[in-house]
Amino acid sequence: AQSVTQPDIHITVSEGASLELRCNYSYGATPYLFWYVQSPGQGLQLLLKYFSGDTLVQGIKGFEAEFKRSQSSFNLRKPSVHWSDAAEYFCAVGPSAGGGADGLTFGKGTHLIIQP
Amino acid sequence: DAGVIQSPRHEVTEMGQEVTLRCKPISGHDYLFWYRQTMMRGLELLIYFNNNVPIDDSGMPEDRFSAKMPNASFSTLKIQPSEPRDSAVYFCASIDNLNTEAFFGQGTRLTVV
Repeated sequence: AQSVTQPDIHITVSEGASLELRCNYSYGATPYLFWYVQSPGQGLQLLLKYFSGDTLVQGIKGFEAEFKRSQSSFNLRKPSVHWSDAAEYFCAVGPSAGGGADGLTFGKGTHLIIQP
Repeated sequence: DAGVIQSPRHEVTEMGQEVTLRCKPISGHDYLFWYRQTMMRGLELLIYFNNNVPIDDSGMPEDRFSAKMPNASFSTLKIQPSEPRDSAVYFCASIDNLNTEAFFGQGTRLTVV
């Protein structure tokens, strides 16, 4: 069965500092990997996705993620965070590009707090 | 397109009452998913439809939960009777037939007292 682990429940970062959110997955085949962001009271918005090819993928809002097959990881990074980045971040794995078959399996999420 | 639309945004009901959550997917999307989000369990897939047909409902927690998709533009998730442990945020998502991205609605926050 597929699973996603986000080891950090909460992370606090100073505004302007760099950020890395960890994600490890377990999946039997080639995974499709996603990062979503959820602002308070809102739905989930796709930040970026990895299907194949270049293991470093660029997303919206200045985020990027690197797929490392040997470590079963797909960590999210941003070189300089802004106060507006405070939100809940979810890593997800799916068997297809949009998770159409069987849907997406989500991690428990990481709550990002930005200090002034 | 206005995106995935869910209603109501908030629902407060008494234990034992019937609750119906509604979802309008993005036009042209073939897949529709219902997720439940709680602090303890995170995001869980409850059921999904493909071309209005339920494909996998193994995530539905109990027989009190049921979902329908009578046409391509509307789906409901019903809980009857509701219980306090059903309190959660319920999300609907849709995906197009190219499976490029899952679009989520803003969710319905359900509180059962």
